[in-house]
Amino acid sequence: DQQVKQNSPSLSVQEGRISILNCDYTNSMFDYFLWYKKYPAEGPTFLISISSIKDKNEDGRFTVFLNKSAKHLSLHIVPSQPGDSAVYFCAASPDEVGYQKVTFGTGTKLQVIP
Amino acid sequence: GAVVSQHPSWVICKSGTSVKIECRSLDFQATTMFWYRQFPKQSLMLMATSNEGSKATYEQGVEKDKFLINHASLTLSTLTVTSAHPEDSSFYICSARDGSSPYNEQFFGPGTRLTVL
Repeated sequence: DQQVKQNSPSLSVQEGRISILNCDYTNSMFDYFLWYKKYPAEGPTFLISISSIKDKNEDGRFTVFLNKSAKHLSLHIVPSQPGDSAVYFCAASPDEVGYQKVTFGTGTKLQVIP
Repeated sequence: GAVVSQHPSWVICKSGTSVKIECRSLDFQATTMFWYRQFPKQSLMLMATSNEGSKATYEQGVEKDKFLINHASLTLSTLTVTSAHPEDSSFYICSARDGSSPYNEQFFGPGTRLTVL
């Protein structure tokens, strides 16, 4: 049972344009959401997170939007750069604070075309 | 930022042998470490949660006698794949939580590619 879903396995975007990566979840107990970026043969690196009490969190070119009623979140990257080409994982946890395990989605491979 | 290392980065072994993978937090104390496995084109699947000084908690379907986890210090956790078989070939990734941070952020190691012949 995939509790965190990323329905688009891949996405291609022109450099300078906006990249929008989507994520859906089914477990209503999730209250904290994270996005990770992963290059081949490397471990994921943390990008940005959002707590369920917010609907938007912004960090430079990266913005995460959360629609809790729809159990949907998205990561916006603008402007997209070739160095952003990687696999992006959405992840969710029942708690922002504490030691709850994190559940990962299947990832979306983003290719930014120069 | 916090750095987590893994050793070796890749390993090839014969079927039936055991392989040990080390995970180290280099600049922070990790009270909790996690071990994940990633098959091609699939998500990171949590195998077990390891707390320093106590037994690891394994996820459903993960054989604890096959995947031995030791977390003897605040900076080192090891995963030993015992009697490895070709189906154990995968990308193994560890992560660590900073014990001094109240937030649920994990720092990931670079991963270990295991190939069992």
